[in-house]
Amino acid sequence: DQQVKQNSPSLSVQEGRISILNCDYTNSMFDYFLWYKKYPAEGPTFLISISSIKDKNEDGRFTVFLNKSAKHLSLHIVPSQPGDSAVYFCAAIIHGSSNTGKLIFGQGTTLQVKP
Amino acid sequence: DVKVTQSSRYLVKRTGEKVFLECVQDMDHENMFWYRQDPGLGLRLIYFSYDVKMKEKGDIPEGYSVSREKKERFSLILESASTNQTSMYLCASSFRAGRAWTTEAFFGQGTRLTVV
Repeated sequence: DQQVKQNSPSLSVQEGRISILNCDYTNSMFDYFLWYKKYPAEGPTFLISISSIKDKNEDGRFTVFLNKSAKHLSLHIVPSQPGDSAVYFCAAIIHGSSNTGKLIFGQGTTLQVKP
Repeated sequence: DVKVTQSSRYLVKRTGEKVFLECVQDMDHENMFWYRQDPGLGLRLIYFSYDVKMKEKGDIPEGYSVSREKKERFSLILESASTNQTSMYLCASSFRAGRAWTTEAFFGQGTRLTVV
């Protein structure tokens, strides 16, 4: 059973416009969410994260929004640049000293930013 | 500088061979993970270790085993390689939840394994 879902396999946007990547989750125990970016033939790199006690976190061109009631989060990239073209993975984790911190990933969304 | 190192970037093995993929981290992380990445399927967790000699099955453990004899090293073993195990294998490590709030995982560069 897929606990973290990215239902859009791909997204294409024009340079300078906004990119919106979406992610849904089913486990209400998740309390921390992360986005990773992956280029071909490289390991994923951490991009931005958000705690479940917040509904927004911003870092430069990247903003993550969390809607806990809908179990939905999104990553906004503004403005999009050609170098942002990559696969983006959403991930979720359960914190707490009794939890080990197993990280669960979604299927990924391939973003293409056209010049 | 944070580092997770996988022993090989590319590997070609024959069906039925026993294959070892090695991963080493230098960040004193408790958690280590093995994922495989396949088109359309994302990153699927094979095995997870939260301490030395401790392991937990992920979503797709069949055909794999792991070894964690030292904190910094986590090995993935393909007991008898098959063509459906051709994939990109990614190792990651992180602090155990509770020790640090930011439990982001750091990844190695990946091993592209082809089984022929």
